[in-house]
Amino acid sequence: DAKTTQPPSMDCAEGRAANLPCNHSTISGNEYVYWYRQIHSQGPQYIIHGLKNNETNEMASLIITEDRKSSTLILPHATLRDTAVYYCIVRVAGGTSYGKLTFGQGTILTVHP
Amino acid sequence: DARVTQTPRHKVTEMGQEVTMRCQPILGHNTVFWYRQTMMQGLELLAYFRNRAPLDDSGMPKDRFSAEMPDATLATLKIQPSEPRDSAVYFCASGRLSEAFFGQGTRLTVV
Repeated sequence: DAKTTQPPSMDCAEGRAANLPCNHSTISGNEYVYWYRQIHSQGPQYIIHGLKNNETNEMASLIITEDRKSSTLILPHATLRDTAVYYCIVRVAGGTSYGKLTFGQGTILTVHP
Repeated sequence: DARVTQTPRHKVTEMGQEVTMRCQPILGHNTVFWYRQTMMQGLELLAYFRNRAPLDDSGMPKDRFSAEMPDATLATLKIQPSEPRDSAVYFCASGRLSEAFFGQGTRLTVV
């Protein structure tokens, strides 16, 4: 699985958009970009994933650059409950090549009032 | 809501004792992961299974840890004998094609 690089920490004001970057310059053509988050003492929670197109769901948007070497997770209106560690992961998904899910150190996002 | 269920939620045991952690994956999910989380090492993948067969257990100390899936509704992680350095939160996750869903974890303390 390709390695990812994320900033160790970020701050965001409540109600503003939180933009979390991730670099994955060695991503392969069959690897997806996944985002999970972990709120203190809980199990990691799936947020969103994508291959090359931008994706949006009820939690967040995922913007992947055209060369797929980096991506940004966007929380459009951050709340205090979005304070968590956010993990960017690249992995093979689907079919018979369902790859292992390997977590790095992630980005600690702190949303403040 | 379907969820991954882990038992027990907390376990305190003495060094040298056997510990068994259980996980009930979400019905229909064919992939199960076991993780260990500590402050120092973060989330470490111990092992994962697909269709009950182990695919990768390279992250697991083989001399004392074992992971099995006796059936599709149960995954177990055993430590024998346990040591203080095994103190951690152990997470199980299950998935099918894309997302994986995590349980709430078992907090293990070995004294």
